[in-house]
Amino acid sequence: GAVVSQHPSWVICKSGTSVKIECRSLDFQATTMFWYRQFPKQSLMLMATSNEGSKATYEQGVEKDKFLINHASLTLSTLTVTSAHPEDSSFYICSAREWGNQPQHFGDGTRLSIL
Amino acid sequence: KNQVEQSPQSLIILEGKNCTLQCNYTVSPFSNLRWYKQDTGRGPVSLTIMTFSENTKSNGRYTATLDADTKQSSLHITASQLSDSASYICVVRPLSGNTDKLIFGTGTRLQVFP
Repeated sequence: GAVVSQHPSWVICKSGTSVKIECRSLDFQATTMFWYRQFPKQSLMLMATSNEGSKATYEQGVEKDKFLINHASLTLSTLTVTSAHPEDSSFYICSAREWGNQPQHFGDGTRLSIL
Repeated sequence: KNQVEQSPQSLIILEGKNCTLQCNYTVSPFSNLRWYKQDTGRGPVSLTIMTFSENTKSNGRYTATLDADTKQSSLHITASQLSDSASYICVVRPLSGNTDKLIFGTGTRLQVFP
């Protein structure tokens, strides 16, 4: 149980393109979803926390107009990287939590490469 | 400042050997401490979870220990296999402040060679 699916797993696109990444909880309802970014040989860095039906809470230094997060249902959250540039290239990982003290379950990540 | 530090940064061992990874943390109080395995290009997968009152937790060939007095945890891998090659991340969930913001260690990259 507690499977989180992320799609796509890998995307390559030109600079200036907007890219949407989906995060789905397959067998549970996720009241809260989290988006992380991971650079090579570094650990995960929290970008934002989103609760279903509410606006996302962004970490300091993360541009909310650049990284649009939508959590419209209890099983789906999306991260849209708008007008992506090479410096946005990274590994993006989502996690989902059912409620309160339940653990976060991580997706398999999306490798984003901007040319 | 809440921090989690891991050592060594990287480790190479031969298949069949044992190894121990270390985690030192300053997060206090904390709700739980987890060890995750992250294969290259994949998301983290939880191996063990311990609350502050637990000293040890096993999951197959993985055994985690916790010393809340010294704020140290270790992950011991027994009879390593090639598939154990991955990054191992120590993650602490704080009990106060933003309890949703997990504190991640930088990980230990383990390589197991035949």
